[in-house]
Amino acid sequence: EDQVTQSPEALRLQEGESSSLNCSYTVSGLRGLFWYRQDPGKGPEFLFTLYSAGEEKEKERLKATLTKKESFLHITAPKPEDSATYLCAVQALVGGSQGNLIFGKGTKLSVKP
Amino acid sequence: DAGVIQSPRHEVTEMGQEVTLRCKPISGHNSLFWYRQTMMRGLELLIYFNNNVPIDDSGMPEDRFSAKMPNASFSTLKIQPSEPRDSAVYFCASSPGGVDTQYFGPGTRLTVL
Repeated sequence: EDQVTQSPEALRLQEGESSSLNCSYTVSGLRGLFWYRQDPGKGPEFLFTLYSAGEEKEKERLKATLTKKESFLHITAPKPEDSATYLCAVQALVGGSQGNLIFGKGTKLSVKP
Repeated sequence: DAGVIQSPRHEVTEMGQEVTLRCKPISGHNSLFWYRQTMMRGLELLIYFNNNVPIDDSGMPEDRFSAKMPNASFSTLKIQPSEPRDSAVYFCASSPGGVDTQYFGPGTRLTVL
């Protein structure tokens, strides 16, 4: 069964304290891995898509990386405005066709000034 | 750009009542998705439309749930009769085509008493 596990469930950082969020996945064939950010009371906002092991994407203080079993979202020198829940999702290849997104439960990040 | 529009934003109803959630996707987007988010189960896909045609409704919990997309600019998700376990935040998302890069609406918080 396709599965996505995110860790930790919650992470508290001081402003400027760099860290990483983990997304491990089990899928028969990976077509893509997606990172979203969700602020309280809002819908998820797309951040990155990664398609193959070794691929990296960057946006401001965020960098996403992908291996064959997991993805990391690295946050460099975070600011309070980076506080949010970060969701990881995978899209599997199903019988040669594209499957739907399977989401993890997210990591809630809090950055204190 | 207005983004994905959902209404109502909040809905409180009593068990057994019919509930209709509405969604207007981003103009020009061909794919539309309905998701449900709870603390226990996270974000789950309910149904996926492409060019107004339902492609995958395997996530619809049971016959009490139904979804329609009569045209490219409007979709509804109906629950009849509603039950307390249907309480959740329901999101609509759209994309230019397929599963990639989905844009989420603000969600409808449904409470069934």
